[in-house]
Amino acid sequence: NAGVTQTPKFQVLKTGQSMTLQCAQDMNHNSMYWYRQDPGMGLRLIYYSASEGTTDKGEVPNGYNVSRLNKREFSLRLESAAPSQTSVYFCASSEWRDSYEQYFGPGTRLTVT
Amino acid sequence: EDQVTQSPEALRLQEGESSSLNCSYTVSGLRGLFWYRQDPGKGPEFLFTLYSAGEEKEKERLKATLTKKESFLHITAPKPEDSATYLCAAYPGGSYIPTFGRGTSLIVHP
Repeated sequence: NAGVTQTPKFQVLKTGQSMTLQCAQDMNHNSMYWYRQDPGMGLRLIYYSASEGTTDKGEVPNGYNVSRLNKREFSLRLESAAPSQTSVYFCASSEWRDSYEQYFGPGTRLTVT
Repeated sequence: EDQVTQSPEALRLQEGESSSLNCSYTVSGLRGLFWYRQDPGKGPEFLFTLYSAGEEKEKERLKATLTKKESFLHITAPKPEDSATYLCAAYPGGSYIPTFGRGTSLIVHP
């Protein structure tokens, strides 16, 4: 099992450009999450999807949109990138009907200039 | 408001020098307390789940314990490969969303 995979691993954008971060899991988990991690700030939740067909805002949703494409895939879109969105982005999944620990992907390091 | 506070922010140990990391939590109706390890440039990796006060879990040199207000991650005779950031997270009752602490950065010198 690959677990949680994310693409791309690294990305540099110019202010105003758009991009989509892709995430997929092969553990048949119902719930998926997008976090950003900044120095001194810890993990902050951007959006989550409790189950296929639902998405909800987390702590810091402004400037982002998400799509739960199917049970396996959950994408994060930046419509007009800003320097404040420079961060490391992590996707995670969990099975809330079971023991609900989260499994994280390797992260995408995004720089917006 | 749900809150998780970890201390210390950073900890330097000599190889073999045992110590503990603290995770204090204030959440309504704790459903579970989780510990993760994060190596530089990687995503967090799940270590333990604790569900009720008095519970303990062990894995190699790590032991996690839980009280009604805090959790401890005890590291016995650490080795340099234990160097990492350790995160704790608490799930409030009835929620899909864990509240994460900011982590403790542990460095173990040979």
